[in-house]
Amino acid sequence: QVQLVESGGGVVQPGRSLRLSCAASAFTFSNYAMHWVRQAPGKGLEWVAVISYDGSKDFYIDSVKGRFTVSRDNSRNTLYLQMNSLRAEDTAVYFCAREKPIQYYFDNWGQGTLVTVSS
Amino acid sequence: DIVMTQTPLSLSVTPGQPASISCKSSQSLLHSDGKTYLCWYLQKPGQPPQVLISEVSNRFSGVPDRFSGSGSGTDFTLEISRVEAEDVGVYYCIQSMQLPYTFGQGTKLEIK
Repeated sequence: QVQLVESGGGVVQPGRSLRLSCAASAFTFSNYAMHWVRQAPGKGLEWVAVISYDGSKDFYIDSVKGRFTVSRDNSRNTLYLQMNSLRAEDTAVYFCAREKPIQYYFDNWGQGTLVTVSS
Repeated sequence: DIVMTQTPLSLSVTPGQPASISCKSSQSLLHSDGKTYLCWYLQKPGQPPQVLISEVSNRFSGVPDRFSGSGSGTDFTLEISRVEAEDVGVYYCIQSMQLPYTFGQGTKLEIK
């Protein structure tokens, strides 16, 4: 059964950094583009970033460009989100999600990890 | 960026009755490959979202046939023919026609 498990969330002060991880199992990780989606407390879903199956391409929403970096280690079946210069508005549950090839929807999601940016 | 607008934002439905959610995009979601990349997700309380429908009307494996999607271009609809208690949660549409992918605001479905 496909499994995505996020980790690395926590409480961090504004301006500091945090790295999230998403461990994948039970599928060929290197065949899939992967995404990060976040959800601020009590709010809706917001797509954040995507990385291609081989890590050669990535794309971000404007509000995190230059601060967040998505990467992957296909040998470790792990997706990452490096978050720098964190702001209060980055406070959210961060989900990783697998994209169904060619059909461009998320067919599997992790349970999410909570990032709280607060002084 | 493509803006996705859902209506209504909340819905209270008696079990067994139908429900309908509208999703409108600020530009056509018809891709040059001929497909329309509009999906629907349901997020049940305390859970990550789960896909219901892809490419406007394709029900995901295991999704009950009381859920159906329709529409084209910029106007889309999710319909539940007979709402059940397990359908409570927040429904989101999302366009994946171009990056950045964008979600609608969500529609909260409650049971009367």
